[in-house]
Parts: sequence; structure tokens; C-alpha cells
Amino acid sequence: EVQLVQSGAEVKKPGSAVKISCTVSGYRFTDYFIHWVQQAPGQGLEWMGLIDRENDKPIYAEKFQGRVTITADTSTDTVYMELSSLRSEDTAVYYCAIDFHSYYMDVWGKGTTVTVSS
Amino acid sequence: SYVLTQPPSVSVAPGQTATITCGGNNIGTKSVHWYQQRPGQAPVPVVHDDSDRPSGIPERFSGSNSGNTATLTISRVEAGDEADYYCQVWDSSTGHFVFGTGTKVTVL
Repeated sequence: EVQLVQSGAEVKKPGSAVKISCTVSGYRFTDYFIHWVQQAPGQGLEWMGLIDRENDKPIYAEKFQGRVTITADTSTDTVYMELSSLRSEDTAVYYCAIDFHSYYMDVWGKGTTVTVSS
Repeated sequence: SYVLTQPPSVSVAPGQTATITCGGNNIGTKSVHWYQQRPGQAPVPVVHDDSDRPSGIPERFSGSNSGNTATLTISRVEAGDEADYYCQVWDSSTGHFVFGTGTKVTVL
């Protein structure tokens, strides 16, 4: 059974950066994408970007381009999402999700809460 | 960028049928996927590729897609179906993924 384990909650100051991890277990191949999705309090789902684990190439949504960086550590099957220049509007739950090249998000992590506050 | 529009809310009595729409320009030419998100939980796919159900999802959940509207239908609605539902597509022109605005289903 594929599982995605995300890192714990973070509290950050405005202007700083946060780096969240997502570790894949139960699947030993690399034919998948890992997506990152933002959900602000009381709001809908917003796609931030993905990394293709076959070549570790990222693709970013226009809204987050320039502030988001998605990387992978092949030795630990862990994907990271770093969001910089944080502002209060970035307070949200961030989910990672796996997509077996089917263009939908099959299994989701439990989410990581990021609070941006001075 | 590609936009997907859903009704903010749908109310339905237990045992009845809930219909949730997802509107987008020529959405019928794309594969549409649907997610259920219960309060405080991560989303879960309930329909993928317009009308396929992942393993473990009841047959009560079905989908269709044509023209400018995709539809998720929940038959014989139960209290446990109360949740937010989101549609999602991949926009091949940009390589980006798009979510719908979300629909809150309330079971009366």
C-alpha cells in the first residue's frame, strides 16, 4: 500500500521560507509525479506544482512561480517543497499527492499546516 | 488559464440523488477527476477519467462528461457523503493541473 508521510506543522515569520517534506513508502519505482496542493483556511484546493520522479523535473503553477521550489532526494524517496517570501496569505494546509502518470492524484498525504505570523 | 466552475453548495435528502456539475470550456475533450474531502481530512479520489471508480469507492458514485459540463452523481445519498467535492483536469496546453471551485454537499 502506497503511503505519503509529510513533515510536521510549522510556524514562520513573514518574509521567511518554509521547507516541507513528503516521503513515499510502499512503492519502489519512479514512474510517478508528486504534486503539491495548497488549501487556505476555509478555501478550496490550489495546485502549486509537481515533480516528475522519472527525471526529477519540476513544473510550477503560474501563481507560485518564483517562490516555490520542488526537489527530490532519491536516496530517501523524499520530495521537498520550499515556499519563500512567506506572507500571511500563505497560511494554509499543504498536501502532497502521488500521481502514477494518470494525471490525477491517487493517494494524498495527511497535510502539513503552515502558519505565517509575526 | 483554464477555469473550472462548480456550484458552491448542493443540498440533498438522505436516499435521494445529488448532482454536482463542473463547467469548463470544452471540458468534454479532457479527462475529469473528482475528489471528496470530509472536514479535517485530506481529499480522496472518488471518480477518475470521467467515470471510473477507484477501488473501494461505492457504485453510488458515478461520473459523466460532455460538451462544457462534467457531472458527479451520488445516488442513494448517505449522511457520510456530506463533504466538499472538487473536480480536476490536466490542461495539456500549459501542462498544469486545475481544480474546480468546490461544492459543499449537505445531507438534510
